[in-house]
Amino acid sequence: KAGVTQTPRYLIKTRGQQVTLSCSPISGHRSVSWYQQTPGQGLQFLFEYFSETQRNKGNFPGRFSGRQFSNSRSEMNVSTLELGDSALYLCASSLVAVMNTEAFFGQGTRLTVV
Amino acid sequence: SQKIEQNSEALNIQEGKTATLTCNYTNYSPAYLQWYRQDPGRGPVFLLLIRENEKEKRKERLKVTFDTTLKQSLFHITASQPADSATYLCALASNNNDMRFGAGTRLTVKP
Repeated sequence: KAGVTQTPRYLIKTRGQQVTLSCSPISGHRSVSWYQQTPGQGLQFLFEYFSETQRNKGNFPGRFSGRQFSNSRSEMNVSTLELGDSALYLCASSLVAVMNTEAFFGQGTRLTVV
Repeated sequence: SQKIEQNSEALNIQEGKTATLTCNYTNYSPAYLQWYRQDPGRGPVFLLLIRENEKEKRKERLKVTFDTTLKQSLFHITASQPADSATYLCALASNNNDMRFGAGTRLTVKP
């Protein structure tokens, strides 16, 4: 079966702009979660969506938001980009919940803010 | 404050030996603990999940233990191979739906 697909793979944005990243989960998976990975902070949980509703949220400012569509595809948006937002953004899909079931990660979107 | 520590940033072992990686936590009450493998430039790959009421889980050459008294999980790879070389991450999830990751241990298995 097809894996988790994230688009785009690479992105360069200017400080102050906003960006939208996309994640298509494995067919049949209803949970999509998002993460930020940086050399300094490691892998950090952003939020999880299930059946179009945000179920869990990590400790990130409101500039980071997301949504999930009826086909389980998800988007993540970051507004007013800062240099510190440069990171690898990963999404993962799970059948039901990322906390207590197997999660499948995509390859990530490498965001560079200049 | 809540802290998750993986024993060392890097671990080098000889092929055929058992690799043991440690994940310690403080000020946290995880209901679930997961281990992932991550190769450079790729997303993490799920390996094992263990619940707070489970002591041990095995999958092929992998074994995870979870000691909620010591606040520690041990991850073992037996009969290690060079292909096991990667960064291994532990992840803890609480019943408050909070999820946190350790910084990872970079394992190198030498032939």
